[in-house]
This record gives sequence, C-alpha cells and structure tokens, in this order.
Amino acid sequence: NAGVTQTPKFQVLKTGQSMTLQCAQDMNHEYMSWYRQDPGMGLRLIHYSVGAGITDQGEVPNGYNVSRSTTEDFPLRLLSAAPSQTSVYFCASRGTGGTGELFFGEGSRLTVL
Amino acid sequence: AQSVAQPEDQVNVAEGNPLTVKCTYSVSGNPYLFWYVQYPNRGLQFLLKYITGDNLVKGSYGFEAEFNKSQTSFHLKKPSALVSDSALYFCAVRPHSLGSARQLTFGSGTQLTVLP
Repeated sequence: NAGVTQTPKFQVLKTGQSMTLQCAQDMNHEYMSWYRQDPGMGLRLIHYSVGAGITDQGEVPNGYNVSRSTTEDFPLRLLSAAPSQTSVYFCASRGTGGTGELFFGEGSRLTVL
Repeated sequence: AQSVAQPEDQVNVAEGNPLTVKCTYSVSGNPYLFWYVQYPNRGLQFLLKYITGDNLVKGSYGFEAEFNKSQTSFHLKKPSALVSDSALYFCAVRPHSLGSARQLTFGSGTQLTVLP
C-alpha cells in the first residue's frame, strides 16, 4: 500500500524561483491537505481540499497555490520562493466524516536560499 | 479559535518507568482529540483519538490517553516506556462543528526521550 506519496523529498531553491510539490494518495480519500512544519511551531495548515475542484485556505496560505483536478492528486505550488518558506512540508489525507485520522506523507524538505 | 498547548518541549524518562506527555486544548463545543507520533525524518503517524464515550482511550503501541473535560486536557500515557518510544509527539484538536472551522489544529510537539 503506497498511502500518501510526496515528491521530491528534498529541494533547494533560490529566492524568486518557482516549484511544485507533488502529493498523491491511493486511498480514495476526499479530504487532502498541506501542512508546513517549523521548529517549535508544530504543524500549520496551508491549504486543504474536501474534494476534486474544491480548495480552501488554511492558517498560512500566503505564497502558496493549490489545485485539485482529481481525487488522487493535490499539488502545492510556490510561485516565487522566499527564505521564509524554508520548511518541511507534509501532505495528508483522510476519508469523509471528520472523525477519521489523517494519513501523512513522508515529507518534503525545502530550502530557499 | 481553537488551540492546543503542549507545555513541555522535552520529556525524559527512564526505560520501564511510566510516561506522561501533557496536552491541553481550547475549542468551541465538544472536541475531537488526536495524538500523533513522528519518528526522525518521517511523516506523522496516528496513535489514538477521542471522539465520544469512554474518557480513557487506548491506542497503538500500548499508549493510552485520558480525556478530562473539566480540565480540557488529553494527556498521553504509557505504563512502561521503551527506548523505541523516543520520538516527537503531537496533540491535535478539531471541533465537532461543520465548515472550515473543522480543521485539525496541532500543538507544538513534545520530544520524548526514553533513557536506557
């Protein structure tokens, strides 16, 4: 079982460059989300989606875009990277119903120089 | 707005001793509460959750947590710690209410170190 797959695992960018973090899940989950993890701050929600074609902002959405064209995929785009976006990014999914637990990917470590 | 507090950044315990990782929360209405564990360079893994019912919840790897509504707490416990329990632990809360407020909010994490 693949679960939630994130690529790439590591990436170094220069300020102003753009890139996309990929996330795919094979559990037919309707809900998908992106978090960033920074030391001492836990996980903060960037964007989430409750189904194909539906996305919404989380706690820290500025500088990030998302789209959800299929149930399986939920890419996160950085249009113009900034050093403040240096972080570890996690994609997570869960089934419908709200009481279910999140399933996390292995994370993508991004460094912006 | 909902929030989670994990008052201890670091907890050290000797192998074989009981362990407690503390969590308090603030949310409108009744909460859904979760504990996750993160091993180095890995994603978070689900340990246990409280939805409703019995205040003592049992989860994976021998962990349990006690929901205390009056103290708004959900402390994680294990009767006998193992070195392999050493990891970063996150408490999280979500309200029962519908809509965008139904997102999961995480605490800042507690690093548990079990000493041999």
